[in-house]
Amino acid sequence: GAGVSQSPSNKVTEKGKDVELRCDPISGHTALYWYRQRLGQGLEFLIYFQGNSAPDKSGLPSDRFSAERTGESVSTLTIQRTQQEDSAVYLCASSLVNRGVVFFGPGTRLTVL
Amino acid sequence: EDQVTQSPEALRLQEGESSSLNCSYTVSGLRGLFWYRQDPGKGPEFLFTLYSAGEEKEKERLKATLTKKESFLHITAPKPEDSATYLCAASGGSYIPTFGRGTSHIVHP
Repeated sequence: GAGVSQSPSNKVTEKGKDVELRCDPISGHTALYWYRQRLGQGLEFLIYFQGNSAPDKSGLPSDRFSAERTGESVSTLTIQRTQQEDSAVYLCASSLVNRGVVFFGPGTRLTVL
Repeated sequence: EDQVTQSPEALRLQEGESSSLNCSYTVSGLRGLFWYRQDPGKGPEFLFTLYSAGEEKEKERLKATLTKKESFLHITAPKPEDSATYLCAASGGSYIPTFGRGTSHIVHP
């Protein structure tokens, strides 16, 4: 596709359930980022993938959060045992090279009841 | 630790009233300073990248400038469609952009 796509666009879940969020980066982009944006807040870095290197997981807030990436393609962000404070918009982004422009997807709005 | 601070938090202007948005950054080995526009319910939309002090870029009514410590986004004679939150981000040695909290920029007709 022409841009970064994410699914679902909205997800409502109950506290304690697991959720999976998907990101399709721009074709050929080697770098992929996940950010979280709470209501009225800035973007909070979660995890970064670059090619075949080990991902930078330094932004993951707890061990309930994990992410995978298949080669230089799709990525999934998994949140286990969701809590109400996990409610936020989860944004995925990709870039061609490390210094390149980072393009964002539309985000997944997660609501934990 | 990389830090990015944006000011003011919010601006409410009349159409045609020019503004300057500030982005102060502390980044080890700046590799890029980015400006984005974010509309409600959407992901950030890329506007500019600046790489070195003294660099300037323009697009329609927007002009971005960069010094060694800060960047400015100047919006000249804005229109209501320029209403959005403007985000600044900086990346250093880690290549991971650190974002500020944004400036809400509302233009009334």
